[in-house]
Amino acid sequence: DAKTTQPPSMDCAEGRAANLPCNHSTISGNEYVYWYRQIHSQGPQYIIHGLKNNETNEMASLIITEDRKSSTLILPHATLRDTAVYYCIALYNQGGKLIFGQGTELSVKP
Amino acid sequence: GAVVSQHPSWVICKSGTSVKIECRSLDFQATTMFWYRQFPKQSLMLMATSNEGSKATYEQGVEKDKFLINHASLTLSTLTVTSAHPEDSSFYICSARDLFTKGGSETQYFGPGTRLLVL
Repeated sequence: DAKTTQPPSMDCAEGRAANLPCNHSTISGNEYVYWYRQIHSQGPQYIIHGLKNNETNEMASLIITEDRKSSTLILPHATLRDTAVYYCIALYNQGGKLIFGQGTELSVKP
Repeated sequence: GAVVSQHPSWVICKSGTSVKIECRSLDFQATTMFWYRQFPKQSLMLMATSNEGSKATYEQGVEKDKFLINHASLTLSTLTVTSAHPEDSSFYICSARDLFTKGGSETQYFGPGTRLLVL
């Protein structure tokens, strides 16, 4: 699975959009980009995933660059409850294992 | 999303005893489940892959005789920490792979975790 790189921490004001970047320059054509988050002392929560096209669901939007070497997770209106560690993981569709890096610690502030 | 439960949510035990943790997929069938361990201020570390009806596959450095995994049905996997010692104290988290998510891709859903304290 391709290595991903994320900034260790970010701050965001409550109510504003949180844009979390992820670099995956060695991603292969059949690896998906998955995003999970872990709120303190809880199990990780699935957010969204995509292959090539941009994706949106009730939680977030995922923007993948055309060359697929990077992506951005967007939380459109961050709340205090979005404070968590966010993990970007490249994963083969069939039989891949989620390997967690250090992620980005997002702090949403009033 | 799909729901995965774990039981117990926390456990305290004496050194030398064994502890069993259950992981259940509540609204989907999971042929594959995973077990992770997380120490304070660290990321999740994959311990093993649990396959229904077959032996688990352990990651390098994880003792299979110490961490016994049983995946007896499509909705239940158990992790038994045998002869637990204080260094086994950690946050244990399971996940289950749902094969039937959008576009034929797979998604793993995680349980809430089990906090183990060995005295």
